[in-house]
Amino acid sequence: DTEVTQTPKHLVMGMTNKKSLKCEQHMGHRAMYWYKQKAKKPPELMFVYSYEKLSINESVPSRFSPECPNSSLLNLHLHALQPEDSALYLCASSQEERGNNQPQHFGDGTRLSIL
Amino acid sequence: GQNIDQPTEMTATEGAIVQINCTYQTSGFNGLFWYQQHAGEAPTFLSYNVLDGLEEKGRFSSFLSRSKGYSYLLLKELQMKDSASYLCAVRDQAGNNRKLIWGLGTSLAVNP
Repeated sequence: DTEVTQTPKHLVMGMTNKKSLKCEQHMGHRAMYWYKQKAKKPPELMFVYSYEKLSINESVPSRFSPECPNSSLLNLHLHALQPEDSALYLCASSQEERGNNQPQHFGDGTRLSIL
Repeated sequence: GQNIDQPTEMTATEGAIVQINCTYQTSGFNGLFWYQQHAGEAPTFLSYNVLDGLEEKGRFSSFLSRSKGYSYLLLKELQMKDSASYLCAVRDQAGNNRKLIWGLGTSLAVNP
């Protein structure tokens, strides 16, 4: 069990669907992240939120839209995805105030399949 | 450019010791992390090094040499459950201190 909770665990959607991935943490972390991971590859950073504000967007296509409603929640809204977007989507969080040596804690991910 | 190298695969025997190496060339350096990831699961944090030397945590130890751009993860008394991918990641100080540069991971198979 991890302290970062992601839902759903699995999602199958068509290319015209709209869906959302959800992430929640109650560790008081003020930095939250979305990653995309393909099989046998490292996680690929998509977005970073710091104190509920978007601080990094790694040139992610607009069909992925992040949202941080409050300090505990992070959403990723999906629309008009492509088959190549099928991957494991990982959420992570970390502390901000205590310097740079704070590790990122990952959720178990959402396994996304685009038909 | 930014580059992190790790061996792709390693095999070891239960009860043995294995060392997984990581070399990095990055524009800045603000710490190195090791993560373990079992197939289909989330990466879990193992260790962090920012100063030269050895950090020990139970069966796992991690070493860093900043002058050589080199780290290793040492796993002792290997167990079957240690079969996983081990990811080396460097925090690049230049520009943003929250982005990690990831190696491709080392897939470790522990055999009986």
